[in-house]
Amino acid sequence: KQEVTQIPAALSVPEGENLVLNCSFTDSAIYNLQWFRQDPGKGLTSLLLIQSSQREQTSGRLNASLDKSSGRSTLYIAASQPGDSATYLCAVRRSSASKIIFGSGTRLSIRP
Amino acid sequence: NAGVTQTPKFQVLKTGQSMTLQCAQDMNHEYMSWYRQDPGMGLRLIHYSVGAGITDQGEVPNGYNVSRSTTEDFPLRLLSAAPSQTSVYFCASSYSTQGREKLFFGSGTQLSVL
Repeated sequence: KQEVTQIPAALSVPEGENLVLNCSFTDSAIYNLQWFRQDPGKGLTSLLLIQSSQREQTSGRLNASLDKSSGRSTLYIAASQPGDSATYLCAVRRSSASKIIFGSGTRLSIRP
Repeated sequence: NAGVTQTPKFQVLKTGQSMTLQCAQDMNHEYMSWYRQDPGMGLRLIHYSVGAGITDQGEVPNGYNVSRSTTEDFPLRLLSAAPSQTSVYFCASSYSTQGREKLFFGSGTQLSVL
């Protein structure tokens, strides 16, 4: 059974810092891994998707990496801004026809 | 495109009542799913479907039924609501083309069972 863990559950950093969010999964046989952002009271928005054959993906100030052998992914946020404050969730999928399993998320707060 | 549409946005039920949460997508996505989100527990998968006529259970399926008679619609039924089903419910859909996919979420339904 695939389990996805995100530690810490909450993180607070001052504006301008670079930071790393962590995601770990127990079954390394994954099809892809996605990172999402959720603002309070809203649905989820997809940020980055990493295919099983890829090591990283970048979008603007965001960089996501994937290490299947160790069962880990990281989301790197450069030069953090107060607008980055949100909950960040990762999700993994075993195959193109399988379910998508989410971690419990990291609630990020960027202090001005 | 409307994307993923969930209705209603808010609902209050009494214990034992039944209701259906509606989910529709207009993007011709094969994969659709229902999640519930509770404080400190992230999103937990209730049921999912990889195509019309195909459904399967997720992590927390008890107390919920689904059907997928069309590609567009994936309703979630609560047959006899219980206070433990108080939660925020999200419907999601995705496509998968040449190994690339993106998951789209509805705006959520906040359900309270008294």
